[in-house]
Amino acid sequence: DAGVIQSPRHEVTEMGQEVTLRCKPISGHNSLFWYRQTMMRGLELLIYFNNNVPIDDSGMPEDRFSAKMPNASFSTLKIQPSEPRDSAVYFCASRPDRADGYTFGSGTRLTVV
Amino acid sequence: GENVEQHPSTLSVQEGDSAVIKCTYSDSASNYFPWYKQELGKRPQLIIDIRSNVGEKKDQRIAVTLNKTAKHFSLHITETQPEDSAVYFCAASIGSGYALNFGKGTSLLVTP
Repeated sequence: DAGVIQSPRHEVTEMGQEVTLRCKPISGHNSLFWYRQTMMRGLELLIYFNNNVPIDDSGMPEDRFSAKMPNASFSTLKIQPSEPRDSAVYFCASRPDRADGYTFGSGTRLTVV
Repeated sequence: GENVEQHPSTLSVQEGDSAVIKCTYSDSASNYFPWYKQELGKRPQLIIDIRSNVGEKKDQRIAVTLNKTAKHFSLHITETQPEDSAVYFCAASIGSGYALNFGKGTSLLVTP
């Protein structure tokens, strides 16, 4: 298994542009999580899905952020319009229903200039 | 969301010594407590976890203890090695559900 796959690995964009981050969970994992990591705030839960349904999006910072999971093998996190304070590493993680631990992807390092 | 407090934020030990990292949580419904290790520029990786019906769990040089009454849990690393140097995160389940709240991390440095 290739693990949780995120793309792109790095993204540099200008303020005001739309950014789309992508995640492919491990096959058979029913839950998918998006986290944001910064030095100041650590790992923050943004949103998570179970069986492709959004369960809790209370961590999404504002309306500029949106996430979708159209099928069991793909999820996107979109920021529109992006701002410099959105610069962070965004991690996707997945887990199966019958186990506890997450498997994280390699992350997307986003820089908004 | 509910808070997970982690201490210390940095820890420096000599090779061979023990390291202890402590966390407290506030959600009395939390029932799952994992620990993750993150090396520089890499993804967090699960190293050990414990459920609320267990007080202690050990895996070679690492162990985790849980005091559910006091709502705190700790990571113990014995006979530390330079390759143990990394950032360690504790986490607690949000209620008894799937999602996790993470502590802010402890940067551990093991010097030869």
